[in-house]
Amino acid sequence: EVQLVESGGGLVQPGGSLRLSCEGSGFTFSSYEMNWVRQAPGKGLEWVSYISNSGSTIYYADSVKGRFTISRDNAKNSLYLQMNSLRADETAIYYCARGGGAEPRLLAHWGQGTLVTVSS
Amino acid sequence: QSVLTQPPSVSGAPGQRVTISCTGSSSNLGAGYGVHWYQQPPGTAPKLLIYGNGNRPSGVPDRFSGSKSGTSASLAITGLQAEDEADYYCQSYDSSLSGYVFGTGTTVTVL
Repeated sequence: EVQLVESGGGLVQPGGSLRLSCEGSGFTFSSYEMNWVRQAPGKGLEWVSYISNSGSTIYYADSVKGRFTISRDNAKNSLYLQMNSLRADETAIYYCARGGGAEPRLLAHWGQGTLVTVSS
Repeated sequence: QSVLTQPPSVSGAPGQRVTISCTGSSSNLGAGYGVHWYQQPPGTAPKLLIYGNGNRPSGVPDRFSGSKSGTSASLAITGLQAEDEADYYCQSYDSSLSGYVFGTGTTVTVL
Protein backbone atom coordinates (compact mmCIF):
# COMPACT_ATOMS: atom_id res chain seq x y z
CA GLU A 1 0.00 0.00 0.00
CA VAL A 2 1.31 3.42 -0.99
CA GLN A 3 1.82 5.68 2.00
CA LEU A 4 3.02 9.27 2.16
CA VAL A 5 3.60 10.86 5.55
CA GLU A 6 4.31 14.57 5.84
CA SER A 7 5.95 16.22 8.82
CA GLY A 8 7.55 19.49 9.81
CA GLY A 9 4.53 21.76 9.91
CA GLY A 10 3.89 24.17 12.72
CA LEU A 11 3.65 27.80 13.75
CA VAL A 12 6.13 30.23 12.21
CA GLN A 13 6.30 34.02 12.21
CA PRO A 14 5.91 36.04 9.00
CA GLY A 15 9.27 36.18 7.28
CA GLY A 16 10.36 32.95 8.93
CA SER A 17 11.43 29.60 7.53
CA LEU A 18 10.23 26.03 7.79
CA ARG A 19 11.29 22.72 6.24
CA LEU A 20 8.68 20.13 5.42
CA SER A 21 9.42 16.45 4.89
CA CYS A 22 7.46 13.65 3.27
CA GLU A 23 8.42 10.00 3.61
CA GLY A 24 7.12 7.52 1.10
CA SER A 25 6.63 3.78 1.50
CA GLY A 26 4.94 0.92 -0.31
CA PHE A 27 6.45 1.84 -3.68
CA THR A 28 9.81 2.42 -5.35
CA PHE A 29 10.28 6.05 -4.36
CA SER A 30 13.07 6.72 -6.86
CA SER A 31 10.81 5.81 -9.79
CA TYR A 32 8.21 8.53 -9.28
CA GLU A 33 7.81 12.25 -9.71
CA MET A 34 6.74 14.07 -6.58
CA ASN A 35 4.86 17.28 -5.87
CA TRP A 36 3.82 19.63 -3.10
CA VAL A 37 0.26 21.00 -3.12
CA ARG A 38 -1.25 23.33 -0.52
CA GLN A 39 -4.73 24.25 0.61
CA ALA A 40 -5.47 27.36 2.64
CA PRO A 41 -8.28 27.06 5.20
CA GLY A 42 -11.62 26.88 3.42
CA LYS A 43 -9.97 27.36 0.02
CA GLY A 44 -9.14 25.27 -3.01
CA LEU A 45 -6.06 23.33 -4.00
CA GLU A 46 -2.93 25.12 -5.20
CA TRP A 47 0.01 23.32 -6.80
CA VAL A 48 3.32 24.47 -5.28
CA SER A 49 6.22 22.52 -6.77
CA TYR A 50 7.30 19.49 -8.81
CA ILE A 51 10.44 17.38 -8.84
CA SER A 52 11.27 14.59 -11.27
CA ASN A 53 12.19 11.12 -10.07
CA SER A 54 15.92 11.82 -10.33
CA GLY A 55 15.65 15.38 -9.06
CA SER A 56 17.05 16.80 -12.28
CA THR A 57 13.90 18.67 -13.26
CA ILE A 58 12.15 21.07 -10.90
CA TYR A 59 9.25 23.48 -11.33
CA TYR A 60 7.65 26.02 -9.01
CA ALA A 61 4.46 28.01 -8.95
CA ASP A 62 5.17 31.69 -9.57
CA SER A 63 3.86 32.51 -6.10
CA VAL A 64 6.73 30.64 -4.39
CA LYS A 65 9.55 30.96 -6.91
CA GLY A 66 12.74 32.23 -5.29
CA ARG A 67 11.52 31.49 -1.76
CA PHE A 68 10.74 27.76 -1.72
CA THR A 69 13.12 24.93 -2.62
CA ILE A 70 12.01 21.37 -3.37
CA SER A 71 14.44 18.49 -3.04
CA ARG A 72 14.48 14.74 -2.53
CA ASP A 73 16.71 12.02 -1.12
CA ASN A 74 15.89 8.77 -2.88
CA ALA A 75 18.12 6.79 -0.51
CA LYS A 76 15.87 7.91 2.33
CA ASN A 77 12.59 7.72 0.35
CA SER A 78 12.03 11.33 1.29
CA LEU A 79 10.82 14.56 -0.27
CA TYR A 80 11.46 18.00 1.19
CA LEU A 81 10.21 21.56 0.88
CA GLN A 82 12.33 24.37 2.29
CA MET A 83 10.14 27.42 2.73
CA ASN A 84 11.69 30.83 3.37
CA SER A 85 10.24 34.33 3.76
CA LEU A 86 6.86 32.90 4.65
CA ARG A 87 3.79 35.11 4.46
CA ALA A 88 0.58 35.02 6.46
CA ASP A 89 -1.44 34.07 3.38
CA GLU A 90 0.66 30.91 3.04
CA THR A 91 -1.04 29.41 6.05
CA ALA A 92 -2.29 26.12 4.68
CA ILE A 93 -2.23 22.36 4.80
CA TYR A 94 0.70 21.22 2.71
CA TYR A 95 0.30 17.88 0.97
CA CYS A 96 2.91 15.81 -0.77
CA ALA A 97 1.62 13.87 -3.74
CA ARG A 98 3.13 11.14 -5.88
CA GLY A 99 2.99 11.14 -9.64
CA GLY A 100 1.20 8.56 -11.72
CA GLY A 101 4.13 6.77 -13.30
CA ALA A 102 3.10 5.95 -16.84
CA GLU A 103 0.29 8.51 -16.77
CA PRO A 104 1.99 11.90 -16.79
CA ARG A 105 1.22 15.05 -14.89
CA LEU A 106 -1.21 13.72 -12.34
CA LEU A 107 -1.23 13.31 -8.57
CA ALA A 108 -2.00 9.64 -8.00
CA HIS A 109 -1.48 9.38 -4.25
CA TRP A 110 -1.62 11.99 -1.50
CA GLY A 111 -0.42 12.20 2.05
CA GLN A 112 -2.64 13.40 4.88
CA GLY A 113 -0.92 16.79 4.93
CA THR A 114 0.88 18.91 7.48
CA LEU A 115 -0.46 22.25 8.71
CA VAL A 116 1.69 25.34 8.38
CA THR A 117 0.50 28.40 10.27
CA VAL A 118 2.21 31.71 9.53
CA SER A 119 1.30 34.19 12.23
CA SER A 120 2.87 36.55 14.73
CA GLN B 1 -5.48 31.89 -8.82
CA SER B 2 -7.14 28.86 -10.37
CA VAL B 3 -6.79 28.57 -14.13
CA LEU B 4 -9.57 26.04 -14.57
CA THR B 5 -13.16 27.14 -13.88
CA GLN B 6 -15.76 24.98 -12.16
CA PRO B 7 -19.23 25.75 -10.79
CA PRO B 8 -19.07 26.44 -7.03
CA SER B 9 -21.75 23.90 -6.20
CA VAL B 10 -24.08 21.28 -7.59
CA SER B 11 -26.74 19.26 -5.82
CA GLY B 12 -29.04 16.36 -6.46
CA ALA B 13 -31.30 13.87 -4.77
CA PRO B 14 -30.11 10.35 -4.03
CA GLY B 15 -30.10 8.28 -7.20
CA GLN B 16 -29.96 11.27 -9.52
CA ARG B 17 -27.24 12.20 -11.98
CA VAL B 18 -25.12 15.34 -11.59
CA THR B 19 -22.38 16.76 -13.75
CA ILE B 20 -19.49 19.10 -12.97
CA SER B 21 -17.90 21.16 -15.73
CA CYS B 22 -14.27 22.24 -15.94
CA THR B 23 -13.36 24.98 -18.40
CA GLY B 24 -9.80 25.72 -19.39
CA SER B 25 -7.94 27.34 -22.25
CA SER B 26 -5.63 26.71 -25.18
CA SER B 27 -2.58 26.37 -22.92
CA ASN B 28 -3.99 23.54 -20.82
CA LEU B 29 -7.01 21.45 -21.80
CA GLY B 30 -7.03 22.85 -25.33
CA ALA B 31 -3.35 21.96 -25.77
CA GLY B 32 -4.19 18.28 -25.40
CA TYR B 33 -3.08 17.78 -21.81
CA GLY B 34 -5.12 15.26 -19.88
CA VAL B 35 -7.60 16.24 -17.21
CA HIS B 36 -7.77 14.47 -13.87
CA TRP B 37 -10.40 14.67 -11.14
CA TYR B 38 -10.01 14.47 -7.37
CA GLN B 39 -12.57 13.91 -4.63
CA GLN B 40 -12.08 15.50 -1.21
CA PRO B 41 -14.62 14.62 1.48
CA PRO B 42 -14.73 17.11 4.38
CA GLY B 43 -11.66 17.02 6.59
CA THR B 44 -9.73 14.56 4.44
CA ALA B 45 -6.97 14.64 1.84
CA PRO B 46 -7.84 14.65 -1.86
CA LYS B 47 -8.08 11.31 -3.63
CA LEU B 48 -7.65 10.59 -7.33
CA LEU B 49 -11.05 9.83 -8.86
CA ILE B 50 -10.55 9.99 -12.64
CA TYR B 51 -7.31 10.19 -14.62
CA GLY B 52 -6.45 10.76 -18.25
CA ASN B 53 -9.82 12.34 -19.07
CA GLY B 54 -11.96 9.32 -18.37
CA ASN B 55 -10.12 6.46 -16.66
CA ARG B 56 -10.99 5.20 -13.19
CA PRO B 57 -8.34 3.94 -10.76
CA SER B 58 -9.09 0.55 -9.27
CA GLY B 59 -11.66 0.80 -6.50
CA VAL B 60 -13.51 3.82 -7.91
CA PRO B 61 -17.15 2.92 -8.64
CA ASP B 62 -18.29 3.08 -12.25
CA ARG B 63 -20.90 5.63 -11.16
CA PHE B 64 -18.12 8.15 -11.76
CA SER B 65 -17.19 8.99 -15.34
CA GLY B 66 -15.21 11.71 -17.06
CA SER B 67 -14.91 13.18 -20.51
CA LYS B 68 -13.06 15.95 -22.30
CA SER B 69 -13.61 17.92 -25.46
CA GLY B 70 -11.51 20.84 -26.60
CA THR B 71 -11.00 23.29 -23.73
CA SER B 72 -13.66 21.72 -21.50
CA ALA B 73 -14.07 18.60 -19.43
CA SER B 74 -16.81 17.17 -17.26
CA LEU B 75 -17.29 14.73 -14.42
CA ALA B 76 -20.57 12.84 -14.13
CA ILE B 77 -21.88 11.08 -11.06
CA THR B 78 -24.81 8.75 -11.64
CA GLY B 79 -26.88 7.11 -8.93
CA LEU B 80 -25.88 9.82 -6.47
CA GLN B 81 -25.24 8.55 -2.94
CA ALA B 82 -24.86 10.31 0.41
CA GLU B 83 -21.19 9.30 0.52
CA ASP B 84 -20.57 11.32 -2.65
CA GLU B 85 -20.90 14.58 -0.71
CA ALA B 86 -17.48 16.14 -1.13
CA ASP B 87 -15.48 18.78 -2.95
CA TYR B 88 -14.37 17.86 -6.46
CA TYR B 89 -11.43 19.38 -8.32
CA CYS B 90 -10.26 19.05 -11.90
CA GLN B 91 -6.53 19.31 -12.66
CA SER B 92 -4.33 19.52 -15.72
CA TYR B 93 -1.00 20.90 -16.88
CA ASP B 94 -0.50 24.38 -18.28
CA SER B 95 2.28 24.95 -20.80
CA SER B 96 2.38 28.72 -20.38
CA LEU B 97 2.82 28.38 -16.62
CA SER B 98 5.01 25.26 -16.81
CA GLY B 99 3.07 23.78 -13.95
CA TYR B 100 0.03 21.94 -12.76
CA VAL B 101 -3.27 23.80 -12.52
CA PHE B 102 -6.39 23.05 -10.52
CA GLY B 103 -10.00 23.93 -10.97
CA THR B 104 -11.78 26.26 -8.59
CA GLY B 105 -13.53 23.30 -6.95
CA THR B 106 -17.16 22.19 -6.78
CA THR B 107 -19.08 21.16 -3.69
CA VAL B 108 -21.53 18.34 -4.31
CA THR B 109 -24.50 18.21 -1.95
CA VAL B 110 -26.86 15.26 -1.75
CA LEU B 111 -30.32 16.56 -0.91
